[in-house]
Amino acid sequence: AQKVTQAQTEISVVEKEDVTLDCVYETRDTTYYLFWYKQPPSGELVFLIRRNSFDEQNEISGRYSWNFQKSTSSFNFTITASQVVDSAVYFCALRGLNRDDKIIFGKGTRLHILP
Amino acid sequence: DAMVIQNPRYQVTQFGKPVTLSCSQTLNHNVMYWYQQKSSQAPKLLFHYYDKDFNNEADTPDNFQSRRPNTSFCFLDIRSPGLGDAAMYLCATSITQGRAEAFFGQGTRLTVV
Repeated sequence: AQKVTQAQTEISVVEKEDVTLDCVYETRDTTYYLFWYKQPPSGELVFLIRRNSFDEQNEISGRYSWNFQKSTSSFNFTITASQVVDSAVYFCALRGLNRDDKIIFGKGTRLHILP
Repeated sequence: DAMVIQNPRYQVTQFGKPVTLSCSQTLNHNVMYWYQQKSSQAPKLLFHYYDKDFNNEADTPDNFQSRRPNTSFCFLDIRSPGLGDAAMYLCATSITQGRAEAFFGQGTRLTVV
């Protein structure tokens, strides 16, 4: 069975601090994709990144960075120099490569950036 | 420019009165999904279409139906809304299954009174 665990339900940090959101997953598939989505108060789920299981290279995009470690089944997301606009719920998700595979979401981490 | 558009953004319906939520996409994606998201929970997949092939999740209540008349449009019909059906309903698309990320609309927040 596939599962995504985001142990941090809610995090609050002061603006400009760095913050890491944890994601641990379980799957029996040897190849799969991992995603992060951001859900601001407006409700739309905004796609942030896709990572495939055979590419463990970490990725940086501006203030965002992702650390994929297959050995520990983790795909953590770090926001550097956080801003108030980063306040949102962040979802980690997993998907297999077969046609019928669904996107499995974690329960989300609510991030509050305090001014 | 919005690529997955949901209408309306907010919908209030009476208990037991049928309601239809709509979704359109300009991405020409094969797959369209409907998710239900209740407060502080992860999105829950109700069903999806791969082209015209309809796939219903095993635990989706019969009260929920869907139609996809063409590639661009997909509808969610709730035949007899109950108070427990109040939620955010999210439509999403992806170019294919298995490899691709899904792109979501802004959602329709449904209130049942």
